[in-house]
Amino acid sequence: DAKTTQPTSMDCAEGRAANLPCNHSTISGNEYVYWYRQIHSQGPQYIIHGLKNNETNEMASLIITEDRKSSTLILPHATLRDTAVYYCIVRVVGEAAGNKLTFGGGTRVLVKP
Amino acid sequence: NAGVMQNPRHLVRRRGQEARLRCSPMKGHSHVYWYRQLPEEGLKFMVYLQKENIIDESGMPKERFSAEFPKEGPSILRIQQVVRGDSAAYFCASSQNGQGGNSPLHFGNGTRLTVT
Repeated sequence: DAKTTQPTSMDCAEGRAANLPCNHSTISGNEYVYWYRQIHSQGPQYIIHGLKNNETNEMASLIITEDRKSSTLILPHATLRDTAVYYCIVRVVGEAAGNKLTFGGGTRVLVKP
Repeated sequence: NAGVMQNPRHLVRRRGQEARLRCSPMKGHSHVYWYRQLPEEGLKFMVYLQKENIIDESGMPKERFSAEFPKEGPSILRIQQVVRGDSAAYFCASSQNGQGGNSPLHFGNGTRLTVT
């Protein structure tokens, strides 16, 4: 499985953009990068995913480097409700792998007023 | 469109009893995944099922735990003879399809099992 490396924690200011980095240097060509977050006591929430191109949706933007060895999740205007643990996951595909998501430790993001 | 529904939200069992956790996937989703989160720990994959089939049970404890996803009705995670170490949050997720990696998993809000 391709592994990911994320900072353990980071703070960001309310109203500012939050940039969350992730390294996945052993990613394979057909593996997607997924981002989820878990707000305390809730189930993980899907944010965004991508393969090669940058992606944007109503929640966030995902920037994937050209060599695909790292990515950045951008929350454009962080709010207090964005305080959560953010997980960067490389999804192993194929029938044998079962298409499951393997969660690591994530980045604990604290948005401060 | 309703999300993944899990019930009960909270379940208390005495040691030795059975726990049954239910999960109804999102409409149109035929793939179900169960995860466990022990207190202050990360999410651990348990099992992946399609209708009437277990696809990957590599994360399931060898004894006392079983899962099913029948043709009709919700997916069930069953824990027999519960012990205190089974106390955890159990999350269910569903996806539209299981191949290619381009189909996100959507999670429910979990069942919190407490074994007394």
